[in-house]
Amino acid sequence: DIQMTQSPSTLSASVGDRVTITCRASQSIGSWLAWYQQKPGQAPKLLIYKASSLESGVPSRFSGSGSGTEFTLTINSLQPDDFATFYCQQYNTYWTFGQGTKVEIK
Amino acid sequence: QVQLVQSGAEVKKPGASVKVSCKASGYTFSGYYIHWVRQAPGQGLEWMGRMNPNTGGTNHTQRFQARVTMTRDTSITTAYMELSRLRSDDTALYYCAREFSFRGNQPFDYWGQGTLVTVSS
Repeated sequence: DIQMTQSPSTLSASVGDRVTITCRASQSIGSWLAWYQQKPGQAPKLLIYKASSLESGVPSRFSGSGSGTEFTLTINSLQPDDFATFYCQQYNTYWTFGQGTKVEIK
Repeated sequence: QVQLVQSGAEVKKPGASVKVSCKASGYTFSGYYIHWVRQAPGQGLEWMGRMNPNTGGTNHTQRFQARVTMTRDTSITTAYMELSRLRSDDTALYYCAREFSFRGNQPFDYWGQGTLVTVSS
């Protein structure tokens, strides 16, 4: 099974900050990586697919990069609505999620 | 608009089974895989398996291989996930989700609202 490891587990940031979350795969997954945002009491929402493609309707302050085993999600100019938990997901071989990164208010 | 609407919360005793439904609307049901993902309280997301609504074919993660059954009723565009031999650590929010497209493996673009299953004696 492919394991996905996110870092950090928790991140404290302020509105306007640039935030970066890292996701590492236990083996190469090409660009078959997605990012989701989950707010309390809600289902996850797809933000990024194929490592760097922005899902329709997602603000352009969200961006993704990487390939192979190392990936990043960047949020430029963090907004109040962005405080949430973020998950990466590989879909190269079946589907596996990272353990999540909670972005909280500093 | 695409919607996945799940059945309501369930409380079950250890050893029992639970069947969760996921009613799809707003798109061609047979054209997209349906996945099941669970989330234990305060924990992360765990993929359980997927079903091809067109053929009924399924894939499951090894962890649930012997206990999970995924079915569908195309006449009412509804997918089902049944989990048997429930244990207390099966207490979780269970989501259905639609796979982005039928072209190879894809992420999930629409999700149900989740169904809380509580296993308690």
